[in-house]
Amino acid sequence: EVVMTQSPLSLPVTLGQPASISCRSSQSLLYSDGNTYLNWFQQRPGQSPRRLIYHVSNRDSGVPDRFSGSGSGTDFTLKISRVEAEDVGVYYCMQGRHWPPFTFGGGTKVEIK
Amino acid sequence: EVQLVESGGGLVQPGGSLRLSCAASGFTFSYYSMNWVRQAPGKGLEWLSYISSSSNTIHYADSVKGRFTISRDDAKNSLFLQMNSLRDEDTAVYYCTRDATGNFDHWGQGTLVTVSS
Repeated sequence: EVVMTQSPLSLPVTLGQPASISCRSSQSLLYSDGNTYLNWFQQRPGQSPRRLIYHVSNRDSGVPDRFSGSGSGTDFTLKISRVEAEDVGVYYCMQGRHWPPFTFGGGTKVEIK
Repeated sequence: EVQLVESGGGLVQPGGSLRLSCAASGFTFSYYSMNWVRQAPGKGLEWLSYISSSSNTIHYADSVKGRFTISRDDAKNSLFLQMNSLRDEDTAVYYCTRDATGNFDHWGQGTLVTVSS
């Protein structure tokens, strides 16, 4: 089973400042089709998860461009260029390369200082 | 607009059974693989089960294998999860998710299952 490790666990951020979340996988997520199966999800308080990013760096429709994903192989990052109040919530990375099972990181809670 | 609406959750005693449903709309349901994911109170996300578009391929997490059964009815645009031999640790919000371009591109609002005597 691929283990997904996120850091930090909690991320207090000042409004308008950048934020960065790290995710590491225990195996490479690169597939033979050329895609790397790493997704990022946002879960706002009291809501269901919403996918933000797929294949490392592709933003889903409607996702603000202040969110960006990067990385390769086993090391990935989600960045928020300027945090807004609506960005508060828990962020999860997830791998879809070596399944079953699909595996999620433990989550990073983003809160406003 | 893609919509996934779960139902069927509730309070059940340990050892009991529940059947969850997920009604899909806004897309051609039969074309897509689907999954169930759950989230225990205050905890992270746990993938439970996958079913391919043709129902030919089905997978389960070890934590539910032998107790849960995933199925689908393409004529009714519906996904199901039959849950038997429920345990306290199965208490969670259960989400259905669509599998497309990457994975899990759309999620329902979830249905709460509480296992307690």
